[in-house]
Amino acid sequence: DAGITQSPRHKVTETGTPVTLRCHQTENHRYMYWYRQDPGHGLRLIHYSYGVKDTDKGEVSDGYSVSRSKTEDFLLTLESATSSQTSVYFCAISDTRSNYGYTFGSGTRLTVV
Amino acid sequence: KNEVEQSPQNLTAQEGEFITINCSYSVGISALHWLQQHPGGGIVSLFMLSSGKKKHGRLIATINIQEKHSSLHITASHPRDSAVYICAVGSAGGTSYGKLTFGQGTILTVHP
Repeated sequence: DAGITQSPRHKVTETGTPVTLRCHQTENHRYMYWYRQDPGHGLRLIHYSYGVKDTDKGEVSDGYSVSRSKTEDFLLTLESATSSQTSVYFCAISDTRSNYGYTFGSGTRLTVV
Repeated sequence: KNEVEQSPQNLTAQEGEFITINCSYSVGISALHWLQQHPGGGIVSLFMLSSGKKKHGRLIATINIQEKHSSLHITASHPRDSAVYICAVGSAGGTSYGKLTFGQGTILTVHP
């Protein structure tokens, strides 16, 4: 989507290495989210942010940390990547001004080998 | 039991058919969202609704708060409608724009 970009789009990394995924928005939306999507589990919330430096855990937050130092950027860090973190990661934004509620990024396909 | 249940899980249709996908939820909600995901693609928001009915082109979404049920209808289906359709709910007490709980998705295939 034009107002939200994720980087990288694809990444292969080794077990035990740290990885950071970036979500960047140009919509000035207040809320930002990181979800992971896995076969058989659907989409699940990892962490979310309701403002600069305001973040909270989702249902699958173990092994992940986030930071939001600016409105436009929300970073997801895998502190020590494991094979169970192989997944597709989606960033999303939302705001009271949006008629559709949510806008999703294009996703990051992460493979941990 | 999942908080959000969709049916059917898989749906095959011929071009031109009327399609219905159902979503039931077990918790109080602030809003319900319908999303679309094409194979290998990103996720697009189709509707956000908290009551009544919304229409966008050939797509119609309805919600019955009392029965905790929503339906997504596609009229005059087309092969380009082939995608996964996902229902998601925002929990009551949160904002309509807050974190979501997702259904497992319905895989729709429309044949020409």
